[in-house]
Amino acid sequence: SQQGEEDPQALSIQEGENATMNCSYKTSINNLQWYRQNSGRGLVHLILIRSNEREKHSGRLRVTLDTSKKSSSLLITASRAADTASYFCATDDTGNQFYFGTGTSLTVIP
Amino acid sequence: NAGVTQTPKFQVLKTGQSMTLQCAQDMNHEYMSWYRQDPGMGLRLIHYSVGAGITDQGEVPNGYNVSRSTTEDFPLRLLSAAPSQTSVYFCASRPTFGGRTQYFGPGTRLLVL
Repeated sequence: SQQGEEDPQALSIQEGENATMNCSYKTSINNLQWYRQNSGRGLVHLILIRSNEREKHSGRLRVTLDTSKKSSSLLITASRAADTASYFCATDDTGNQFYFGTGTSLTVIP
Repeated sequence: NAGVTQTPKFQVLKTGQSMTLQCAQDMNHEYMSWYRQDPGMGLRLIHYSVGAGITDQGEVPNGYNVSRSTTEDFPLRLLSAAPSQTSVYFCASRPTFGGRTQYFGPGTRLLVL
């Protein structure tokens, strides 16, 4: 399987703290994306980083990519209770298949 | 726009029964796909389509059939349900050109007894 893995599997923090989650993958990629899934809902796209980029920002989100280590990290700053969700990374090459990681469950305590 | 819609939201089947999970999108996206989500496994690609009349297998295609007669619809058929197919199924779509972002439906929760 080319599926990636997120680390940690679960993370619990206080509101206002920063949350960092990591994704490791196995093969060369074209893009890496992060998605959020609220309980019982579909996935929502957060941010995409291309293989030739090292860092990208979007609002309170910061994503880094290290292709030499085949890893990415997602940082959520100043977390809010509404950030409570599962977060997944997804990779793709130049083809039509996407590979999702196993997810990190984030709980933000008010 | 309704985005990506899926029906039914929840279904219970007996082993050996067949059923079709419906997926429709109103964004004129060429690419559509089906995933299953199991605890601890993330999402795994079942089948995908890059346009009407074109389908291909993903990572876990066994036990599932798909067809794509229109741009809007991409049904997933379970020919003979098995307990191992108990899962949550998500349909997704994206434009062929202009980005790799996928738009997901709300999911169908399937229980096979």
